[in-house]
Amino acid sequence: EVQLVESGGGSVQPGGSLRLSCAASGFTFKDYSMNWIRQAPGKGLEWVAYMSGRGSTVRYAASMWGRFTISRDNVKNFLYLEVNSLRVDDTAIYHCVRDDSGFFFHDSWGRGTQVTVSS
Amino acid sequence: SNELTQPPSVSVAPGQTATIDCSGDNLGYKSVSWYQHKAGQSPIVVIFQNNRRPSGIPERFSGSNSGNTATLTVAGTQAIDDGDYYCQTWDSATGYVFGTGTKFTVL
Repeated sequence: EVQLVESGGGSVQPGGSLRLSCAASGFTFKDYSMNWIRQAPGKGLEWVAYMSGRGSTVRYAASMWGRFTISRDNVKNFLYLEVNSLRVDDTAIYHCVRDDSGFFFHDSWGRGTQVTVSS
Repeated sequence: SNELTQPPSVSVAPGQTATIDCSGDNLGYKSVSWYQHKAGQSPIVVIFQNNRRPSGIPERFSGSNSGNTATLTVAGTQAIDDGDYYCQTWDSATGYVFGTGTKFTVL
């Protein structure tokens, strides 16, 4: 069974930083592209970042460039998201999400970790 | 522009057919997926590659994509189809983008 378990969220002040982690199990992690997707309170789904299975391709949503960094450890089976220069509007639940092996869509989601940015 | 626009809400009576549009520049040249998201649950994909249904998704869900508009059609709507629906595309240069989302209500 595919399991994606996020951690590392918390409450921070504007300008602060966090490192989100996602422990993956139940599948061959290095064979799958992974994403971070967030949902702010009362808002829709917002894709944040993508990394291919071997880490050679990385993509970010335009508003995240320069502030967020996605990475992965294919030995430990972890996905990470470094979030810096946090703003109040970054407050959201951040989900670790796996892509389908053959097509560009998401087939498995973690329950998410809450990030709250406030002064 | 990378933006995908959906109607904020769509309502339908049980048993009827409903459509949700997703509009974006030259969307017909891209591959569109549709997700159903119920409160407290993880989103699930109901359509990928414009019109393909994953295993386990009922045949009443179908998709099309042409010009600047992709459409999700739910035929013979059931109460369990209630929820938020999002379109999404992938671009190799810029990544994924979600549509603005549609609250789908079965009356």
